[in-house]
Amino acid sequence: GAGVSQSPSNKVTEKGKDVELRCDPISGHTALYWYRQRLGQGLEFLIYFQGNSAPDKSGLPSDRFSAERTGESVSTLTIQRTQQEDSAVYLCASSLVTGFGTANEQFFGPGTRLTVL
Amino acid sequence: AQRVTQPEKLLSVFKGAPVELKCNYSYSGSPELFWYVQYSRQRLQLLLRHISRESIKGFTADLNKGETSFHLKKPFAQEEDSAMYYCALLNYGGSQGNLIFGKGTKLSVKP
Repeated sequence: GAGVSQSPSNKVTEKGKDVELRCDPISGHTALYWYRQRLGQGLEFLIYFQGNSAPDKSGLPSDRFSAERTGESVSTLTIQRTQQEDSAVYLCASSLVTGFGTANEQFFGPGTRLTVL
Repeated sequence: AQRVTQPEKLLSVFKGAPVELKCNYSYSGSPELFWYVQYSRQRLQLLLRHISRESIKGFTADLNKGETSFHLKKPFAQEEDSAMYYCALLNYGGSQGNLIFGKGTKLSVKP
């Protein structure tokens, strides 16, 4: 079946503008994750959704970042008043379940490359 | 705090040589550890996980709790192994969902 998809693949914006990034997880996956990867760095956890539970927002770097998920489908990550340090590749992943065990494999999307001028 | 360290940013070997990509973690309990790989122009994908105790594409990784390490090894490297490799630890805090990644090691296998 189709994997995780993300749009747009590339986004160039001006400092101070708002951006929305979209993620379509694998159908049936209850967990959805957002990570970002700045140049030369590892993946940094941002936010995590699990079913109808309250999302784990512990990784969001500031209140300019927010994310929503509709049920167990699409998620959007919004960055308000973008700054140059927000430039990164934003990766979305989904998994069948969360926690321990072999069903928690995270499947990644291709990412959105965000450039803030 | 939980952390994953990959000390080498770049590892270059010749085809047929053994390769070892180092990974150390900090967590006092029983960890769940993964290796993810990203080939050129492809998305990040799971290579192997320690609880499965499997060998994928000739790679193995053994958990050493005494040294808090999970090094990735292959006895004979192939050119197609050239990629970015990330070690990751399941987050045991909070909602226990996300992965904590190292900064990655770029493996280059020369002909």
